[in-house]
Amino acid sequence: AQTVTQSQPEMSVQEAETVTLSCTYDTSESDYYLFWYKQPPSRQMILVIRQEAYKQQNATENRFSVNFQKAAKSFSLKISDSQLGDAAMYFCAVNTGTASKLTFGTGTRLQVTL
Amino acid sequence: ETGVTQTPRHLVMGMTNKKSLKCEQHLGHNAMYWYKQSAKKPLELMFVYSLEERVENNSVPSRFSPECPNSSHLFLHLHTLQPEDSALYLCASSQDRGLYNSPLHFGNGTRLTVT
Repeated sequence: AQTVTQSQPEMSVQEAETVTLSCTYDTSESDYYLFWYKQPPSRQMILVIRQEAYKQQNATENRFSVNFQKAAKSFSLKISDSQLGDAAMYFCAVNTGTASKLTFGTGTRLQVTL
Repeated sequence: ETGVTQTPRHLVMGMTNKKSLKCEQHLGHNAMYWYKQSAKKPLELMFVYSLEERVENNSVPSRFSPECPNSSHLFLHLHTLQPEDSALYLCASSQDRGLYNSPLHFGNGTRLTVT
């Protein structure tokens, strides 16, 4: 069975600053994918960024980037120039196949302050 | 984004009631999913439909009954629920079941309270 651990239940960042959300995972598969989803107060989960495990280059999407350390099974999310709209729950997930093999973490609530 | 629409947004029901949750996707996807989201727990996959055929059922109690009449609509029929079934129920869709190249698109969820 695979597991995803998000050890930070809550984080806070000032507007325009940078914050890093932690995620570690465990899987016995060698080929898998990693995701970060954002869930704002509207409750709709939105894909933020994804990473293929066999790619060494870290994925980036505008202000969002990841630090993927395969050996350490770590997949942290960095948000640069934080904005008020970034306030949400952030979920890390690992996928080793179809939906039944998509495992989510318990989430990190990010607050953005002025 | 309104690609996946869920109704109702909130639902309060007694343990003896029967109700249904509805999900509709406008993205032309072939797979649809029901997830349960409880506080401080990871999302739990309940059911997966691919091309209107149920392909996965993650040991969900029979008081939850899914229905997928076509590739755009998904229902979750509820009857004789328990208070511990109170949660946010999320519907999602994807182009196919390989989630990397066709990631999940979620609806806004139905907040269910069982009294």
